Formats: sequence, C-alpha cells, structure tokens
Amino acid sequence: GAVVSQHPSWVICKSGTSVKIECRSLDFQATTMFWYRQFPKQSLMLMATSNEGSKATYEQGVEKDKFLINHASLTLSTLTVTSAHPEDSSFYICSARPPGGDYGYTFGSGTRLTVV
Amino acid sequence: AQSVTQPDIHITVSEGASLELRCNYSYGATPYLFWYVQSPGQGLQLLLKYFSGDTLVQGIKGFEAEFKRSQSSFNLRKPSVHWSDAAEYFCAVASRGNNNDMRFGAGTRLTVKP
Repeated sequence: GAVVSQHPSWVICKSGTSVKIECRSLDFQATTMFWYRQFPKQSLMLMATSNEGSKATYEQGVEKDKFLINHASLTLSTLTVTSAHPEDSSFYICSARPPGGDYGYTFGSGTRLTVV
Repeated sequence: AQSVTQPDIHITVSEGASLELRCNYSYGATPYLFWYVQSPGQGLQLLLKYFSGDTLVQGIKGFEAEFKRSQSSFNLRKPSVHWSDAAEYFCAVASRGNNNDMRFGAGTRLTVKP
C-alpha cells in the first residue's frame, strides 16, 4: 500500500515548450503533495508544497509562473514546466504522506526532464 | 534556521568493512528522521525512520541508525558493507505534525572497494 505513481518517467522537450508531470496517490488520499528537483550529483531540493483545492506554497527562489502546480483532486497533483529551457533539465520527484500512524513519506519514481 | 547536514560528501570503504554515515540536524524540536538510498538514475528507497521510542532503529538491508538527542545526530551504520551498497545516501528530516515537508541533506556518496 501507499504507492505514489509519477508519470512520465522521462521526457525530452524542445526549448520554449511546456511539459506536464503527473503525481498520483494510488491507494490513499493525499491532501498535500510535495515536489522536489534534483540536479545531477546533488541533493533533492523542495520546490513547492501542493495543497488540494488551494494554491501551492513555493519555496524561496522557485518561480511560480514557470512551475505551475495544480492539485485538483485528492489523488492527483501536476507540475507543469512552462516555456522550458535547458537549465530546467533535471530530475523531478513528487512525494506524499499517507494518513495514519505510519508517518512515512512515499515518493514517486521521478521524472527525468531533458530540454533541448 | 532549520537544516540537516551530512558532513561527508564521499566515503570509500572496503567490502566487508563497517560503515558509518553522519547526519546532524538543527530544528526547533526533534523532527522525524529518515535515511534514504538512491542508486544512479533511480528513485529513493527508504532505509529506516525514527519517530519516537527506541533510539536505535533497525532498517532494511542490514542498516541501523542511532538517534542521539544531545548531539542532534542520526548516524547510519552497517557492520559489513557489500558491493551492492554503493549508492548515494540521504538523511532527511520533517517537522512533527501533519503534512509537513521533508528536507534532505546534501547526500553522501558511498564507494565500495573490492
């Protein structure tokens, strides 16, 4: 149980285009999901906290207009990278915390974005 | 400010040797504590976590970690390293409570010599 599915696993897009990444909680409802970015050989940096039915909370330095987050249902959050540039190429990972006493965080398998 | 520190960027150990990866945190109160492992190009795998209770936590793959409140540390250990343990290891913390975000340390890359 407590599975988070992330799609796509990898995507290549042209500069200037937009890319949408989906994060789904398969067997639990997630009122909150988290989006991270990881550059090669670096750690995971929290980008934003996605809240179902309300606006996302972005970390300092993350452009809200470039990284659009929509959490329209209790099982789906999307991250759209708008007008992508090569410097947006990265590994994006989502996570959620299933309700209950386990207090664990479940991570998606990540999306490798390459902008050419 | 809240932070989690992994002082060692890269560690090399011989196969069969013991391992200790360091993690220190700075939070207002004792947070939830985690260790994750990541192989190249892969997602994260949870090794173990600490919420409360026994300060020595057992995880998967023979790993354990000890929470030391006085030192604000949560070091990861393994008595005998296997070549398959070569990977990136991340210490992570999350504030207690519901729906609080998780923050990661910079990571420690483990190389295992034959």
